[in-house]
Amino acid sequence: AQTVTQSQPEMSVQEAETVTLSCTYDTSENNYYLFWYKQPPSRQMILVIRQEAYKQQNATENRFSVNFQKAAKSFSLKISDSQLGDTAMYFCAFQGRGNYGQNFVFGPGTRLSVLP
Amino acid sequence: EAGVAQSPRYKIIEKRQSVAFWCNPISGHATLYWYQQILGQGPKLLIQFQNNGVVDDSQLPKDRFSAERLKGVDSTLKIQPAKLEDSAVYLCASRNWGRGQETQYFGPGTRLLVL
Repeated sequence: AQTVTQSQPEMSVQEAETVTLSCTYDTSENNYYLFWYKQPPSRQMILVIRQEAYKQQNATENRFSVNFQKAAKSFSLKISDSQLGDTAMYFCAFQGRGNYGQNFVFGPGTRLSVLP
Repeated sequence: EAGVAQSPRYKIIEKRQSVAFWCNPISGHATLYWYQQILGQGPKLLIQFQNNGVVDDSQLPKDRFSAERLKGVDSTLKIQPAKLEDSAVYLCASRNWGRGQETQYFGPGTRLLVL
């Protein structure tokens, strides 16, 4: 079974600075998807960024980018120019390519606080 | 495009009572998920539907939880009887089918408190 680990339960960053959230995972699959989801205090889960394992190029979405290291099974999220609205829980998630079965797994989350 | 709708948003019940949650996915989304998110933890998948069929319910406590997705659109999740440890947020998510459609879209959740 796949597992997702986020070793930083809480982090804080000053507004306008850069922060990196860590995520590692364990799988025997070769093709899969990785996601970062954001859950603000209102609790609506929102997709931040996704990465397909067969793509070597790291995904970017505006101020959000990932560092995907497939061999190390590492998938970190970098937030540049942090904004107050980035304050939220961030979940790393794994999905196998099969579309079926117990292959979508969330990590335990990292609570990020952006300080003014 | 309307998002995933869930109701009720909040529910307080006493242990041993029953409760039901409703989810309306994004129009056209074939795949629907129910998750349980206990405070301070990541969501845990309870059940996955593909249209009106169950794909995976391996983590659903079937002695007390049940779910259905009649006609492959709306879905209901029921707990009967509820236990204290069922206090959590129940999230519904949906996605399209096929390669490139892996992103799940989440509803606002139903917060359940069992006293």
